[in-house]
Amino acid sequence: NAGVMQNPRHLVRRRGQEARLRCSPMKGHSHVYWYRQLPEEGLKFMVYLQKENIIDESGMPKERFSAEFPKEGPSILRIQQVVRGDSAAYFCASSLIESANTGELFFGEGSRLTVL
Amino acid sequence: QQQVKQSPQSLIVQKGGISIINCAYENTAFDYFPWYQQFPGKGPALLIAIRPDVSEKKEGRFTISFNKSAKQFSLHIMDSQPGDSATYFCAASMTSGYSTLTFGKGTMLLVSP
Repeated sequence: NAGVMQNPRHLVRRRGQEARLRCSPMKGHSHVYWYRQLPEEGLKFMVYLQKENIIDESGMPKERFSAEFPKEGPSILRIQQVVRGDSAAYFCASSLIESANTGELFFGEGSRLTVL
Repeated sequence: QQQVKQSPQSLIVQKGGISIINCAYENTAFDYFPWYQQFPGKGPALLIAIRPDVSEKKEGRFTISFNKSAKQFSLHIMDSQPGDSATYFCAASMTSGYSTLTFGKGTMLLVSP
């Protein structure tokens, strides 16, 4: 029973390029969350999606960042025109039901983005 | 505005000792308080969680103490072991409507042999 799968695990981009991070939730999970982790900053919520719907994107920067969770395939976090400040670990989590409703969040191992 | 404040930032405990990590929250609507454990290079994993209708929850060597009036909760690790060395995050959320977990900044615990 595979856990949350994220790829790539490591990604290096030059300033101005695009970064695409993929997340396949656990089998049967239809809720996906993206968090960003910076050193000494903890985990910052970015976006919460269900299949084909963005439920809460209050933590996502208004520009350059977008997320989707299509009916088929993984969830994608897309960062356009990356800047050095985007360098961070991006974690995806999934759950069976809304996280707040006693649901446990299952995290992937993260995608570490380095912007040169 | 940081809604969940966690301390200390780092902690060194001798093997067999008690590790204590504290968190304070501001939003009185929070009613679910989990702790996550993260090893280097890995994603966070749920360790233990509590709801405000109880003041304490124990699972093995891990105990959460909850003080609703003070809006504080803490994690106690009894008989700390080197394998407990990890980063610990407290979190909080509301169980009504769509609510996502708000995490503290984390505590890096090192248990010395």
